[in-house]
Amino acid sequence: EVQLVESGGGLVKPGGSLRLSCAASGFTFSSYSMNWVRQAPGKGLEWVSSISSSSSYIYYADSVKGRFTISRDNAKNSLYLQMNSLRAEDTAVYYCARPKLNSPRAFDIWGQGTMVTVSS
Amino acid sequence: DIQMTQSPSSLSASVGDRVTITCRASQSISSYLNWYQQKPGKAPKLLIYAASSLQSGVPSRFSGSGSGTDFTLTISSLQPEDFATYYCQQSYSTPDTFGQGTRLEIK
Repeated sequence: EVQLVESGGGLVKPGGSLRLSCAASGFTFSSYSMNWVRQAPGKGLEWVSSISSSSSYIYYADSVKGRFTISRDNAKNSLYLQMNSLRAEDTAVYYCARPKLNSPRAFDIWGQGTMVTVSS
Repeated sequence: DIQMTQSPSSLSASVGDRVTITCRASQSISSYLNWYQQKPGKAPKLLIYAASSLQSGVPSRFSGSGSGTDFTLTISSLQPEDFATYYCQQSYSTPDTFGQGTRLEIK
């Protein structure tokens, strides 16, 4: 079964750090770019970051640039998001998402999400 | 950044109704438009990609159309399981951007 499972969310104080992980299974992880998408409570979807299959190309939303770092380990079939200098507005469910192989950034596989709460 | 505007923001309809949701891009995005369905507490589900291609496993009552700046998602005959929030997403240029969502409620 094709699956993405996020972990690492939790409660963190403003200015703190957190590292999210996404474990992939059931497909050739190293063949796909990967993405993080977040959703603040009661709000819409916001793309956060993407990384190409070989980590050669990395992109960030302006809202997280300079604070978040996306990375991957193809040998471990895992995607990561290092989040530093966290702010209250970073509070959200964070999803990892896989795009369809032949359709750029149409996300056909999503994880269940991991909740990040930034609060003092 | 490309802005995506959905209308309406919410919609009440009955089982069996035909429903159309529109999405407008702030500039041309060719056919790089995707539609998702999201139910409370769940991850989004891809319904339509490349404006009009039906994702595998999605019922044929869902269809998409449009190109350039104007797009539509149509549900031909609403079923009880279709009551959810729908989002459009442009994948023409980074950053990907989503519409604000359309909440489809039971009348």
